[in-house]
Amino acid sequence: SYVLTQPPSVSVAPGQTARITCGGNNIGSKSVHWYQQKPGQAPVLVVYDDSDRPSGIPERFSGSNSGNTATLTISRVEAGDEADYYCQVWDSSSDYVFGTGTKVTVL
Amino acid sequence: EVQLVESGGGLVQPGGSLRLSCAASGFTFSDHYMDWVRQAPGKGLEWVGRTRNKANSYTTEYAASVKGRFTISRDDSKNSLYLQMNSLKTEDTAVYYCARASEGYYYYYMDVWGKGTTVTVSS
Repeated sequence: SYVLTQPPSVSVAPGQTARITCGGNNIGSKSVHWYQQKPGQAPVLVVYDDSDRPSGIPERFSGSNSGNTATLTISRVEAGDEADYYCQVWDSSSDYVFGTGTKVTVL
Repeated sequence: EVQLVESGGGLVQPGGSLRLSCAASGFTFSDHYMDWVRQAPGKGLEWVGRTRNKANSYTTEYAASVKGRFTISRDDSKNSLYLQMNSLKTEDTAVYYCARASEGYYYYYMDVWGKGTTVTVSS
């Protein structure tokens, strides 16, 4: 089965840049989607197809994908960005796969 | 407003059954694939299964962990999605989300989520 590995936690000061990685075998050949989940709330799509943003998502959220690592970058981090973030891909052998999740803490 | 609202969660004994519903509004439900995703307490997201649209014969796919026990169906006339859960196990305890799938470059992504309904399997 296909596995996506994320760091358990990332800490960042307000105004700085947070980078959340998502590792998978040849993930650069797949489309990666990212979801933000705040405590007690449903997930929200923040990036799809590696680097596209849904309507209403700030430009501070961006994504990239190459080789064995995809990255979600949050620029000019705000207190409201504190949440869990999950990457997700579709794999022919595993269907939908979610990453292990990363908790972003704003210091 | 695009919206998904789940219902039907509750407490059920191991081996029991439960049927979840998801009411959709604000978009053309019949055009979309729909998914169920769950999240066990303190854990990450786990895809449960999908139903395709009429154009794709309403075919379904399931995660290995629920295959043979869970059944996804839909009623486009009622803009509703269902998850029939049988032979429930304690490890099925989770918040269950329904999600709308939209077509991306490579496959589909989930762009609208409901708030979820809680299922607790316990004796």
